[in-house]
Amino acid sequence: QVQLVESGGGVVQPGGSLRLSCAASGFTFSSYGMHWVRQAPGKGLEWVAFIRYDGSNKYYADSVKGRFTISRDNSKNTLYLQMNSLRAEDTAVYYCAKAPRRYGDYHDYWGQGTLVTVSS
Amino acid sequence: EIVMTQSPATLSVSPGERATLSCRASQSVSSNLAWYQQKPGQAPRLLIYGASTRATGIPARFSGSGSGTEFTLTISSLQSEDFALYYCQQYNNWPYSFGQGTKLEIK
Repeated sequence: QVQLVESGGGVVQPGGSLRLSCAASGFTFSSYGMHWVRQAPGKGLEWVAFIRYDGSNKYYADSVKGRFTISRDNSKNTLYLQMNSLRAEDTAVYYCAKAPRRYGDYHDYWGQGTLVTVSS
Repeated sequence: EIVMTQSPATLSVSPGERATLSCRASQSVSSNLAWYQQKPGQAPRLLIYGASTRATGIPARFSGSGSGTEFTLTISSLQSEDFALYYCQQYNNWPYSFGQGTKLEIK
């Protein structure tokens, strides 16, 4: 069965950096696009970033463009989110989510999320 | 960016009754619309994609309809486990975007 396990969350000061990881199993990771989605405490869902199956194209929400970088290592079945210049408003649970095909579309499987807290 | 607007923000319905949730897009998203359910402390779960196709394992009491800018999620006979938050999402244009959510609560 599909499993997505996020890690790397924690407390970081404003202006700091953090790298999230998402370990995938139960499917052919290299054949599917992958997303990051976040949810601030008590708020709704916000799509953050997407990467195609082979890493050839990446898309970002305007709120994180230029600060966050999505990447993947298909040899390790792992998705990453490098987050730089963090702000208080980046505080959220970050979910990785699988796309149903190579080039995008909705999220058919989700991880359980990892909490990122940006605070001094 | 396409703005997704869900209504109502909160819907109070009795078990066994029908619930109708709405989602409107600021511009056409064709049929590239998904619905998700989220319960407290859990990750979202895919219910509907392509505006009207149920995801694997989703009961037949969940149905989706609409295209273009107006969409509806209908739950035909509410069960206790259906009381939760529901989000719509467009995946027609980058950046993808979610609605703000509808909370379905027990009346």
